[in-house]
Amino acid sequence: GDSVTQMEGPVTLSEEAFLTINCTYTATGYPSLFWYVQYPGEGLQLLLKATKADDKGSNKGFEATYRKETTSFHLEKGSVQVSDSAVYFCALSEETSGSRLTFGEGTQLTVNP
Amino acid sequence: GAGVSQSPSNKVTEKGKDVELRCDPISGHTALYWYRQSLGQGLEFLIYFQGNSAPDKSGLPSDRFSAERTGGSVSTLTIQRTQQEDSAVYLCASSLDYRSYEQYFGPGTRLTVT
Repeated sequence: GDSVTQMEGPVTLSEEAFLTINCTYTATGYPSLFWYVQYPGEGLQLLLKATKADDKGSNKGFEATYRKETTSFHLEKGSVQVSDSAVYFCALSEETSGSRLTFGEGTQLTVNP
Repeated sequence: GAGVSQSPSNKVTEKGKDVELRCDPISGHTALYWYRQSLGQGLEFLIYFQGNSAPDKSGLPSDRFSAERTGGSVSTLTIQRTQQEDSAVYLCASSLDYRSYEQYFGPGTRLTVT
């Protein structure tokens, strides 16, 4: 079955540092890939998505590129802010499965001033 | 506009009791999903509806769990004879239909079984 593996957390960075959160996946078909973010005390929000190989999703300075050859969708940001502190989830969905989301374990990011 | 709403926001119940969790999706969204977020299991899919039908119930952990959706809108997740391992945050999400890429999540219901 489908699965998503994220780098283990937690991750602690200083403000303006470079962020990478690794994500790899296993899927039977051609999934769409997502990064969701959960800020403290808030619900899950879609951060960015990519629906086919080589697509790059981007939002709020975050980027991730759908790499079919390495089955990866790593999240990057060039300069993190304190307000980026949150839990980040990598996820995939396949239309053949009703587009239900399969999530990674989540990575807690803390950014210190 | 209004987002996905869930009620109650918190529920504490005694082991063995039944609970009902409610989800109001975004108006016009035909697909509705239930997920569970727990410390030990992370975020896991439970069931999804397209309209009032549930094509995929494969994530329901046991026959104590059931869900229904009426009028293509509100959905209720029922847990019978609750157990301590049912303690989790239950999340609901909706999307335009099952082919839509973006799911919008509600704030969740935190269930604690004592």
